[in-house]
This record gives sequence, C-alpha cells and structure tokens, in this order.
Amino acid sequence: AQKVTQAQTEISVVEKEDVTLDCVYETRDTTYYLFWYKQPPSGELVFLIRRNSFDEQNEISGRYSWNFQKSTSSFNFTITASQVVDSAVYFCALSELRYSSASKIIFGSGTRLSIRP
Amino acid sequence: DAGITQSPRHKVTETGTPVTLRCHQTENHRYMYWYRQDPGHGLRLIHYSYGVKDTDKGEVSDGYSVSRSKTEDFLLTLESATSSQTSVYFCAISDSEHTEAFFGQGTRLTVV
Repeated sequence: AQKVTQAQTEISVVEKEDVTLDCVYETRDTTYYLFWYKQPPSGELVFLIRRNSFDEQNEISGRYSWNFQKSTSSFNFTITASQVVDSAVYFCALSELRYSSASKIIFGSGTRLSIRP
Repeated sequence: DAGITQSPRHKVTETGTPVTLRCHQTENHRYMYWYRQDPGHGLRLIHYSYGVKDTDKGEVSDGYSVSRSKTEDFLLTLESATSSQTSVYFCAISDSEHTEAFFGQGTRLTVV
C-alpha cells in the first residue's frame, strides 16, 4: 500500500538558515509520482513540484531544491537562505500509476516550518 | 487559478444531522478528491472519483458517502454528523493519474 512519512512534525529555524524537510515514501509500483505542497497560514494549498519515478534528477527553483533518491525512497525538500515568508506547513504526497484501477494521491502528515526573524 | 469552488465555506451543525458539502469545478478534470485536515494527521483522503459515477474509498471513508452525477460536481455527504467529523474539508481536482491536484479553499465544518 502507498504511504508517505514526514517524520519532522515541526521545525523552527532562524531566518537565512538552510532547512531540509524530509519525505520518505512506500509503494509497490515502479511508476509513481511525488509532489510537494505548501500551506501558508492563510490556509490554501499551493502546489510546488511534481516528480515522476523515472526522473531522479534533482531540481532547483530559486531558493528551493528537491532531492529524489529511489534507493532510499526519499524525496527531500531544501530551502536555502530561509525567509519568514517560507513559514508554512509543507506536505509531501504520492500517487501511484495504476492501469488496473484508479490512482489516488496520498499525503504525509505535514511538517510545520517556522522561520524566526 | 484552477476553477474549484467549495460550498459552504463554513458550517456549524448539530450531531445527528445530515450534511452535504459540494465541490464544483470548471476545468473538466477527470479526478476529484475529498480530504479532511486535522491537526497531527495532515490531509487524509476520504473518497475520490475518477469519472462520472466512478468513485472509490480513501483512508477514512467510514461515515461518509459521495456522489458524482456530473463531471463538474462532487458531493460529500455525512449521513449523521458526529463530533469526530469536525474538521476542515478540502476538495481537489486533477487532470490525470500523473498530474498534480489543485485544491479548493476548504470548508470548515463544526459538529456540536
């Protein structure tokens, strides 16, 4: 069964520090998709990135970077030079590609990130 | 922004009463999902739909039912609301199995 684990419930760092949010997943499928979402204090859920299981290339977008490692079933998210506006709850999610049945997106329990000025 | 509308946005109801939450999309996406968000549990999937009249259970489906008679609408019904169903409910849509989901603004439901 598919499962996503975000072991870090809460993280607090001082502004400008780098911070890494961990995501470990479980799946029986060889084809799957991983996602990260951000939920700022205002409550909406914002899509950040999607990665498929065949693409292990790391991705960088500004201060954000993602490290996907199939060998450890991890898809970690790093924020470089954190800012107060990065304060939010971050969710990792997994979708398996099923040809015999419908797919569903399962989320981890989230990591609450607080950036202190 | 993806065209997703949840209604109502806030609701207070009494234990034992039926409640229906509506999710409406204008994107013609195939997949629609209902999640609930509770402290310490993140987002948990209640039910999802992969087409008109095609639905399936998620992780926490007990006490909930859904219907999708049109592509654009996905209804979540609590047949007899309980206090444990007090939560924030999110609807989401996605185009296919391998694309990201876009979320509605959420519905805060309080069962007293």
